[in-house]
Amino acid sequence: QKEVEQNSGPLSVPEGAIASLNCTYSDRVSQSFFWYRQYSGKSPELIMSIYSNGDKEDGRFTAQLNKASQYVSLLIRDSQPSDSATYLCAVNDDSSASKIIFGSGTRLSIRP
Amino acid sequence: EAQVTQNPRYLITVTGKKLTVTCSQNMNHEYMSWYRQDPGLGLRQIYYSMNVEVTDKGDVPEGYKVSRKEKRNFPLILESPSPNQTSLYFCASRSLGPLYQETQYFGPGTRLLVL
Repeated sequence: QKEVEQNSGPLSVPEGAIASLNCTYSDRVSQSFFWYRQYSGKSPELIMSIYSNGDKEDGRFTAQLNKASQYVSLLIRDSQPSDSATYLCAVNDDSSASKIIFGSGTRLSIRP
Repeated sequence: EAQVTQNPRYLITVTGKKLTVTCSQNMNHEYMSWYRQDPGLGLRQIYYSMNVEVTDKGDVPEGYKVSRKEKRNFPLILESPSPNQTSLYFCASRSLGPLYQETQYFGPGTRLLVL
């Protein structure tokens, strides 16, 4: 059973600090990796996708991928109260471009 | 405006009464999926479709059916709902453009209660 593991949290970070969210996956041949943000009672929203080792930056968000360690992380710089949400990590199943496996999510709380 | 719509948004039904949840996208995406979200279990894929008339099982397909007769629509059918199908359901569409420009959109969700 292919798995994606996340710490459920809650992770509490002071406003203005860097929030670091982590995710590990079991399928060594996974090729595509995604981070979603989900506000309470809302649908998930794709915020980052990453496909190769290293860092990918988009505004205050940086995704980091290390395929050798089967580890993907999301950094949120200058955290704002509006960043308080559940963050879902997901990986593309190698067997199909459309099969995506999600972690159970990390709840992030930014305290003013 | 890019959009995935689902109907109904809320549904209370009884065991065994067939129901359909509709999903439609206006972005001409080839890929569409259905997920269910349960507390502590995250999002689990039920079925997905890579194009018209092409569907495949996700991780939890038991008790569900789908069809993809048109590119924009991907209905989820529960032939004989049971209480363990009480959940929050999301439809999603996806497109992978050049240079790995990933686009994904989720619908607003359908909250289903099966009594």
